Amino acid sequence: EVQLLESGGGLVQPGGSLRLSCAASGFTFNNYAMSWVRQAPGKGLEWVSAISGSGGTTYYADFVKGRFTISRDNSKSTLYLQMTSLRAEDTAVYSCARYPFKVVAKYYFDYWGQGSLVTVSS
Amino acid sequence: QSALTQARSVSGSPGQSVTISCTGSSTDVGAYNYVSWYQHHPGKAPKLMIYDVTQRPSGVPDRFSGSKSGKTASLTISGLQAEDEANYYCCSYAGSYTWVFGGGTKLTVL
Repeated sequence: EVQLLESGGGLVQPGGSLRLSCAASGFTFNNYAMSWVRQAPGKGLEWVSAISGSGGTTYYADFVKGRFTISRDNSKSTLYLQMTSLRAEDTAVYSCARYPFKVVAKYYFDYWGQGSLVTVSS
Repeated sequence: QSALTQARSVSGSPGQSVTISCTGSSTDVGAYNYVSWYQHHPGKAPKLMIYDVTQRPSGVPDRFSGSKSGKTASLTISGLQAEDEANYYCCSYAGSYTWVFGGGTKLTVL
């Protein structure tokens, strides 16, 4: 059974940093590209970033470019999102999601985690 | 990238059919046949219901179907059941390795 479990969320001050993790199980992690998607309180879903199965290719939404870094450790079957220069508008539940193939392309997200709440507030 | 437009809520009685629409632009829904739909029960992980506009993953009941016309995609749920009550989100590939989601539609089964 495919499982994605996020951790690392919490309360952080504006301008601060936080690293989210997504532990994957039930599939061969390095065979699949992964993504982060967030949902601000009372809002819809918002795609944040994506990474290929090898980790060699990454993509970002404009609103996080230069502030967030996606990475993965295939030996640990874990996806990461390093978030810096956090703003109040980054407050959201961050979920990891799997693409159905190894490369990032015009795909969908076939499995999701439940998410980890990040609150940016002073 | 602007979010795709969805009605905030829709409702139907058990056994009825409902359609949830998702309107985008010429750079996302109108440009690609890569629209997907997700069912989200609060507190749980979203679930893929439709991909590539019309394709249903294994395990998803055939009561769920997808379509697209121009810049508007639609999810139709026939034979509504109580467990279908959830939030539904559409998503489209938007070019340059980016994706855009809708604001979500809350489905209430009366």
